[in-house]
Amino acid sequence: NAGVTQTPKFQVLKTGQSMTLQCAQDMNHNSMYWYRQDPGMGLRLIYYSASEGTTDKGEVPNGYNVSRLNKREFSLRLESAAPSQTSVYFCASSEVLRIQPQHFGDGTRLSIL
Amino acid sequence: GENVEQHPSTLSVQEGDSAVIKCTYSDSASNYFPWYKQELGKRPQLIIDIRSNVGEKKDQRIAVTLNKTAKHFSLHITETQPEDSAVYFCAASTRGSTLGRLYFGRGTQLTVWP
Repeated sequence: NAGVTQTPKFQVLKTGQSMTLQCAQDMNHNSMYWYRQDPGMGLRLIYYSASEGTTDKGEVPNGYNVSRLNKREFSLRLESAAPSQTSVYFCASSEVLRIQPQHFGDGTRLSIL
Repeated sequence: GENVEQHPSTLSVQEGDSAVIKCTYSDSASNYFPWYKQELGKRPQLIIDIRSNVGEKKDQRIAVTLNKTAKHFSLHITETQPEDSAVYFCAASTRGSTLGRLYFGRGTQLTVWP
């Protein structure tokens, strides 16, 4: 089992460019999440998907969109990248939404110039 | 929403000593409290969790205590080793929210000196 797989691992963008971060899990989990991690800020929730077909905003959703493509895959899109979106992005999944541990991917290090 | 505060932000201990990291939360409806360890450049990994119907939980050198009345929970690492050096995050999940989503503290950088 690979667990939670994120692609790409590293990316450099120019301001205004768009890109999609991919996430897939093979644990048959229902819930998936996207976080960003900035120095001294901990993990902040961007968007989540309680189950296939549903998505909701988290703490810092502005500038992002998500798609729950199927039960396995949950993508994060930056439509017009800004330097403030330079961060490490983590995808996570859990069996169900409530009171369950979350399993994280290896992260995507994104730099926006 | 929930607010989780974590202290200290940095902690240095000598190998073999104990380390304690403390977190407070604001929402009395929170009922699940995981702790994650993140080594440099790696993913956060769950090391222990506790639910609100339990006051203490141990797993070898790691223990977590929960005081629901005071709304705080702590991570205790005994007999620390250099490989315990990492950033530790506490989190809380509140059943009062629409989701039971996790709210994270800002992390504690633990350094264990040999």
